[in-house]
Amino acid sequence: EIVLTQSPGTLSLSPGEGATLSCRASQSVSNNNLAWYQQKPGQAPRLLIYATSSRAADIPDRFSGSGSGTDFALTISRLEPEDFAVYYCQQYGTSRTFGQGTKVEIK
Amino acid sequence: EVQLVESGGGLVQPGGSLRLSCAASGFTFGSYVMAWVRQAPGKGLEWVSAISGNGYSTYYTDYAKGRFTISRDKSKDTVYLQMSSLSVDDTAAYFCAKASGSAWPYFFDYWGQGTLVTVSS
Repeated sequence: EIVLTQSPGTLSLSPGEGATLSCRASQSVSNNNLAWYQQKPGQAPRLLIYATSSRAADIPDRFSGSGSGTDFALTISRLEPEDFAVYYCQQYGTSRTFGQGTKVEIK
Repeated sequence: EVQLVESGGGLVQPGGSLRLSCAASGFTFGSYVMAWVRQAPGKGLEWVSAISGNGYSTYYTDYAKGRFTISRDKSKDTVYLQMSSLSVDDTAAYFCAKASGSAWPYFFDYWGQGTLVTVSS
C-alpha cells in the first residue's frame, strides 16, 4: 500500500499570504494520479485538484498543484478567509489512499 | 446538479449491523463507480469500498472484507453499504462519493454530506 505523508501538520498563516502544502508518497504514484481535497468543519470533502495539476470545476486559479513521482504540492497563492480548512491528498494510481491531512489555520 | 444524500447512520451496539444508503441524482447513475469513504472523529479520510457502474465488480479495503457489502440499485439510483460485526473502531462519518469515471483509475469528484455511525454499548 502506498503511504502518503503530508507536511506540515498545521500551517498558521494570515489572509493574503501564500501557502505550500506537501504530500510525499512512499513509492511512485502511477501516472501521477494524485488529487487534493479541501474539507471544512462539519462539511464533506471538496475536490480541488486531480491528475496532480488539473483544477476541478469552479476552483479558483489561486489553487495549483504540482509534482511527480513521489513528491507533490498544493499551492494557494493568496489565502482568502474561506481557504482556512484541512487539505488532503489522495493517490489513485495504485488502489486508493489518503494522506493524513494538513490544517491551514488563521494566524 | 449532482446530489448525494446519505441515510441510515445511527447508534448500534458492538457486533451489530447497519445498512447505509446513498441516493444519487443529477448524473447518469449507472455510468460511474460509486464509493464509500469514512472519517473517524477528528481523524482523516479512509476509503472503505467501491462498486462498478454495472454493479458486477466490488472492491473493499482489508478491514471491510467479509464484514461490509456494497451494492447498488439502478432502479432507485441508490448505493448501499451493509455493515455487520461492527466494532467501536467503525465509529465514523460515512461519506458516499461519486467517482470521476466508470473504471479505474478514478478520483472522487462529488461527495455527500455524510451519515454518522456510532458503535457503542
